Amino acid sequence: GAGVSQSPSNKVTEKGKDVELRCDPISGHTALYWYRQSLGQGLEFLIYFQGNSAPDKSGLPSDRFSAERTGGSVSTLTIQRTQQEDSAVYLCASSFSWTLSYEQYFGPGTRLTVT
Amino acid sequence: DAKTTQPTSMDCAEGRAANLPCNHSTISGNEYVYWYRQIHSQGPQYIIHGLKNNETNEMASLIITEDRKSSTLILPHATLRDTAVYYCIAEGNDNDYKLSFGAGTTVTVRA
Repeated sequence: GAGVSQSPSNKVTEKGKDVELRCDPISGHTALYWYRQSLGQGLEFLIYFQGNSAPDKSGLPSDRFSAERTGGSVSTLTIQRTQQEDSAVYLCASSFSWTLSYEQYFGPGTRLTVT
Repeated sequence: DAKTTQPTSMDCAEGRAANLPCNHSTISGNEYVYWYRQIHSQGPQYIIHGLKNNETNEMASLIITEDRKSSTLILPHATLRDTAVYYCIAEGNDNDYKLSFGAGTTVTVRA
């Protein structure tokens, strides 16, 4: 079946502009996770959703970052007033439920470059 | 969450078994050991997980020591496509939902 998809695959934006990154989880997966990976670095947890609610937003780096999920499916990560340090690969993952969070299925990521 | 320690890199020969070690000496009783891998330019991929018993699936085997302070991921017949960064993660499975990825081991399978 279809895996986790993300769009766009690549995004180049100018410093100060807003960007929206989209994630389509695997159908039926109620838990959704956002991570980011800077060049040569490990993965940094950002936020997770159980259904449409986000119990833990503590990983978001600043108030310029926000995320929402509607209909228990698609999620959007929004970065306002982008900065060069926001450049990274943003990865989305989903799992059947948060109780099965050990088995997360990752999308291919969105590579964001802020110039 | 327990801290894990892995070698930075290792090479292995195609067709041979690859044994990837991981130390997690501070692991607590309810924390599982998970392994993921990340092939270049792709998202991480779940491999296997275990609590205290050894586990095997179609991808790999996981051997956990009796004291649970270390484990070994075994790829029985490494192929060139197994070249990736392998992450060992120790996390609780009750209230934890985020995976804490460290630096991992860069495994290079050579022909």
